[in-house]
Amino acid sequence: GAVVSQHPSRVICKSGTSVKIECRSLDFQATTMFWYRQFPKKSLMLMATSNEGSKATYEQGVEKDKFLINHASLTLSTLTVTSAHPEDSSFYICSARDRRLAGPHRADTQYFGPGTRLTVL
Amino acid sequence: QKEVEQNSGPLSVPEGAIASLNCTYSDRGSQSFFWYRQYSGKSPELIMFIYSNGDKEDGRFTAQLNKASQYVSLLIRVSQPSDSATYLCAVLRDSGAGSYQLTFGKGTKLSVIP
Repeated sequence: GAVVSQHPSRVICKSGTSVKIECRSLDFQATTMFWYRQFPKKSLMLMATSNEGSKATYEQGVEKDKFLINHASLTLSTLTVTSAHPEDSSFYICSARDRRLAGPHRADTQYFGPGTRLTVL
Repeated sequence: QKEVEQNSGPLSVPEGAIASLNCTYSDRGSQSFFWYRQYSGKSPELIMFIYSNGDKEDGRFTAQLNKASQYVSLLIRVSQPSDSATYLCAVLRDSGAGSYQLTFGKGTKLSVIP
């Protein structure tokens, strides 16, 4: 299957700093990428939908000024957690949809990255 | 609020037995349903998807969908210790303008006892 990478896989930072997470589709072009957050023993919560060349669509309750998303190319989306605080500590996972396979039943083309574990001290 | 409900478990089954995982959803208009497996500390991996009422089989896995009851299940036959993981049910919804998003349940933790 298609490969999605995330970098870094793990990051520890001090409160108040900003952290950038990269999500790349390695062997396909992704017009749409999704950013999820997962707290321990909780489900994946969609944070935002990122479309190449346009502004991200954020889910209700997600601060767009705190979680900056940039989808500058068909293979790269970035999530920047600005002024991170301990409550932002979580597992951040991206997924990418293969543009060649569209349609309502094709979520099998939504490939997940390995995740980034963020710990804010 | 569009919700996906799962029993959090843990569900314990002996090796070789059938594991039955259940999921209900609130949005009657939902069309596509997915089961993901997630090992601890890892991201989800797709096991199966189903969008027609009835059963769909793939190897040891069978997904069952009943849209009238808004119920979807996953059966794992001949359970193996390597099947021990959290299983996430996800429902695809149309978020408008041709965009589709997955809504996940909280997951059911399965433990297969050797």
